[in-house]
Amino acid sequence: DAKTTQPPSMDCAEGRAANLPCNHSTISGNEYVYWYRQIHSQGPQYIIHGLKNNETNEMASLIITEDRKSSTLILPHATLRDTAVYYCIVRVASGNFNKFYFGSGTKLNVKP
Amino acid sequence: KAGVTQTPRYLIKTRGQQVTLSCSPISGHRSVSWYQQTPGQGLQFLFEYFSETQRNKGNFPGRFSGRQFSNSRSEMNVSTLELGDSALYLCASSPRGDTEAFFGQGTRLTVV
Repeated sequence: DAKTTQPPSMDCAEGRAANLPCNHSTISGNEYVYWYRQIHSQGPQYIIHGLKNNETNEMASLIITEDRKSSTLILPHATLRDTAVYYCIVRVASGNFNKFYFGSGTKLNVKP
Repeated sequence: KAGVTQTPRYLIKTRGQQVTLSCSPISGHRSVSWYQQTPGQGLQFLFEYFSETQRNKGNFPGRFSGRQFSNSRSEMNVSTLELGDSALYLCASSPRGDTEAFFGQGTRLTVV
């Protein structure tokens, strides 16, 4: 699975959009980009994933660059409850047997 | 739909003892994987089970073992506990293991 690089921390004002970047310059054509978050001492929560097209669900939007070497997770209106560590993970579509490599992630601090 | 359920939520054991943790996956999910989370090492993959068979294993000593039952429920066992085994143990379920996984709240194990 390709490695990812994320900033260690970011701040965001409550009510504003939070844009979390992720670099995955060695991504292969059959690798998906996944985002999870972990609120303190809880289990990681699935947010969204995509292959090459931009994706949106009720939680967030995922923007993947055309060359697929980087992506951005967008939380459109951040709230205090969005304060968490956000993990960007790249992995192949099959044969990985429910295995995710969690790096250090980005600690998002949403401030009032 | 009920989420992933892990029991117990908290556990305190003494060095040298053994412990068994339980995970009930989301109904219909056949893949169950286990992770260990510590402040120093982050989230690390332990192993994955699918249809009662271990398909993948992380880099942990043989003191860590698991099994899966015909109803997809899974248990993990740690024998001869060491202080370093103190961690949050997380279970994640997925329909087949090749898509997004959903995590439980974890079991907080403290070894004294």
